[in-house]
Amino acid sequence: GESVGLHLPTLSVQEGDNSIINCAYSNSASDYFIWYKQESGKGPQFIIDIRSNMDKRQGQRVTVLLNKTVKHLSLQIAATQPGDSAVYFCAENQAGNQFYFGTGTSLTVIP
Amino acid sequence: DADVTQTPRNRITKTGKRIMLECSQTKGHDRMYWYRQDPGLGLRLIYYSFDVKDINKGEISDGYSVSRQAQAKFSLSLESAIPNQTALYFCATALTGNTEAFFGQGTRLTVV
Repeated sequence: GESVGLHLPTLSVQEGDNSIINCAYSNSASDYFIWYKQESGKGPQFIIDIRSNMDKRQGQRVTVLLNKTVKHLSLQIAATQPGDSAVYFCAENQAGNQFYFGTGTSLTVIP
Repeated sequence: DADVTQTPRNRITKTGKRIMLECSQTKGHDRMYWYRQDPGLGLRLIYYSFDVKDINKGEISDGYSVSRQAQAKFSLSLESAIPNQTALYFCATALTGNTEAFFGQGTRLTVV
């Protein structure tokens, strides 16, 4: 089956710094890669996605990079704020079917 | 009101009991999913449904069953609960062709 994993389970950054969260995947057939944010006590929330034929996509304060050569995905958060503290999951989606999630990275923003 | 509602939010049950977790949505989405979340293991797919007459097993369906009673309702049952089914359960919905899934608030289930 698919394997979506994360390099680091926890990440601490200073408020105002940029954050980079990484993810490795194994299924080259995935059509989309997606990032979700899960705040304490809540369900995951969609942040941004990237289609497999793209290398980069930018949103509001977030950028996702896709390196298909090494099957690596990253989420960059600019000017990290306390409200960014959460667990971040990468997920992959193939042909609009089920979503497979990674194990998550816990981001802590230090004021 | 939440678009994806799970009931109950918390439940403690005894080993061997049958329990049902319910999910309803007002988003009009055709696809519904049940996930289980355990510390360090992320979200694992239990079952998913693409419409009322479609049910599919996910990664960890053993010990679980589901029912899609209507487009808006998708329930998860544990026929005979066991302690290693203690976890946080999430229901999610999505529209065919979209990558964004919408999650409920979760149900924390404890099997003693």
